Amino acid sequence: EVQLVESGGGLVQPGRSLRLSCTASGFTFGDYAMSWVRQAPGKGLEWVGFIRSKAYGGTTEYAASVKGRFTISRDDSKSIAYLQMNSLKTEDTAVYYCTRDLSGNYDGGAFDIWGQGTMVTVSS
Amino acid sequence: VIWMTQSPSLLSASTGDRVTISCRMSQGISSYLAWYQQKPGKAPELLIYAASTLQSGVPSRFSGSGSGTDFTLTISCLQSEDFATYYCQQYYSFPWTFGQGTKVEIK
Repeated sequence: EVQLVESGGGLVQPGRSLRLSCTASGFTFGDYAMSWVRQAPGKGLEWVGFIRSKAYGGTTEYAASVKGRFTISRDDSKSIAYLQMNSLKTEDTAVYYCTRDLSGNYDGGAFDIWGQGTMVTVSS
Repeated sequence: VIWMTQSPSLLSASTGDRVTISCRMSQGISSYLAWYQQKPGKAPELLIYAASTLQSGVPSRFSGSGSGTDFTLTISCLQSEDFATYYCQQYYSFPWTFGQGTKVEIK
């Protein structure tokens, strides 16, 4: 079964750091680009960032709201994608979803597989 | 940044109705548009990509149309399991953006 499982969420104080993990199974992880999408309580979806597959250099793209604070990386040997979140703000409070990119090309595309999400609460 | 206007934000309908949801872009995006369905407490699910291509396993009562700046999601015959929130998403250029969402509720 194709599956993504996020972990690492929790309660963290403003200004601190947190790292989320996304463990993939059921497909060849290294062949796919991945994204993180978040959803604040009661709000809509917000794209956070994207990492290309190693075939396209493993390069990244970020939303302006997190650029310079968040970093996406991947370990294809472990089938894990990471979201390193630094200098967290209260407005980063959200459910964070890991997603698989459908397109398989450099520019990315729609998200065909989603994890169940992990909640991050930033509060003092 | 490409801005998206999704409408309506709330749609009241009955089982068996035909419903349409609109997504308008601030600039042309060719056909780089996806639609997702989200039920309460669950992750979104992909319904349609490339504006009109039905994702595998999605019922044929869902369809998408449009290109450029104006797009539509149609549910031809609303079923009880279709009451949910729907989002459009553009992947034409970074930053990728989502519409504000349309909640389809029981009339």
